[in-house]
Amino acid sequence: EIVMTQSPGTLSVSPGERATLSCRASQSIRSNLAWYQQKPGQAPRLLIYGASTRATGIPARFSGSGSGTEFTLTISSLQSEDFAVYYCQQYENWPRTFGQGTKVEIK
Amino acid sequence: QVQLQESGPGLVKPSGTLSLTCAVSGGSISSNNWWGWVRQPPGKRLEWIGEIYHSGGTNYNPSLKSRVTISVDKSKNEFSLKLTSLTAADTAVYYCARQGVSRYTAWFDPWGQGTLVTVSS
Repeated sequence: EIVMTQSPGTLSVSPGERATLSCRASQSIRSNLAWYQQKPGQAPRLLIYGASTRATGIPARFSGSGSGTEFTLTISSLQSEDFAVYYCQQYENWPRTFGQGTKVEIK
Repeated sequence: QVQLQESGPGLVKPSGTLSLTCAVSGGSISSNNWWGWVRQPPGKRLEWIGEIYHSGGTNYNPSLKSRVTISVDKSKNEFSLKLTSLTAADTAVYYCARQGVSRYTAWFDPWGQGTLVTVSS
């Protein structure tokens, strides 16, 4: 099973600042990585797939990069609606696995 | 656009069986997509349970494989999850979601709203 590890666990950021979230895979997953945003009481929402392709309707301030085992989600200028938990997910192999999440909170 | 809605009992007894259904609207379950189940225990990470294609082909998480069955009902445009031999560790919010058309497009979009299943006597 491919283990996904996200860091940091919690990120405190002021509105308007940049947030950088990391995700590491225990083995190469090429670019087969997705990012999701989850707010309390809601289902996850797809942000990025293919490591760097924004899903439909996702603002340009969200960007993804990386390949192999190291990946990054960047939110260029945090808006109030961006404070949430973010998960990465690999689909290189079965079982599909998720990271433990990074909570982005207001500083 | 495609929408998914989970339904089923919110409380199940230990050693019992969890049965959930995911109704697909705004699109056909016979489209060229896989359909999956994901769960999230309270305060924990998301866990993939398994996936099904409209032809009936399935893949399951090895950690749950002995207890899981996913099936599809094309006439009702829905797919279902059965999980047996329940324990408190199976308490979670259960989500259904659409996956991509192939192994390498298996991200989840969209998701159902989720349904909380509590295992307790």
